[in-house]
Amino acid sequence: AQRVTQPEKLLSVFKGAPVELKCNYSYSGSPELFWYVQYSRQRLQLLLRHISRESIKGFTADLNKGETSFHLKKPFAQEEDSAMYYCALSGWGDYKLSFGAGTTVTVRA
Amino acid sequence: DVKVTQSSRYLVKRTGEKVFLECVQDMDHENMFWYRQDPGLGLRLIYFSYDVKMKEKGDIPEGYSVSREKKERFSLILESASTNQTSMYLCASRGPGELFFGEGSRLTVL
Repeated sequence: AQRVTQPEKLLSVFKGAPVELKCNYSYSGSPELFWYVQYSRQRLQLLLRHISRESIKGFTADLNKGETSFHLKKPFAQEEDSAMYYCALSGWGDYKLSFGAGTTVTVRA
Repeated sequence: DVKVTQSSRYLVKRTGEKVFLECVQDMDHENMFWYRQDPGLGLRLIYFSYDVKMKEKGDIPEGYSVSREKKERFSLILESASTNQTSMYLCASRGPGELFFGEGSRLTVL
């Protein structure tokens, strides 16, 4: 069975402060990890995936297989980062994604 | 530009009614999914389909069924709507890369 845990429902930070969203997973095989984001009144969209190892909108995430984590980080939060963030997992070669409960991020001026 | 289109953005139905939620994708993806999105619970997979006329249950299939008669179209059916099915329903499709979502259908069952 695969499971994704996002322990924080809400996260509030000041503009310019660092932000870290936690994601832990449970999966017996080799996982593929994603972060999806939903801005207000927009559809859910991919932010980044671990295999691409990119930095998108200043966000990075590193897969730590030892700690089974895939935390999302940004050194300097911006007001436009306010959104709902979901961590997601699929097994390698499996097209089905399992999602966490989501974290709502509010960036205050 | 890739597109997943859900035909109804907002629906209000009465308990016991049959409800159809339609989803169409234009990316020629074989894989399509229906999730429901609830605050504090995240996205939960209802059903998915790997190919035309094929379907598999997700994590919460009870009270739902699906239909995939054509590759581009995946429908979610609530045979007899109940109040606990009030939710946001998201359709998605996936090829070899990321999952693409529709805008969602907000269903209220009275």
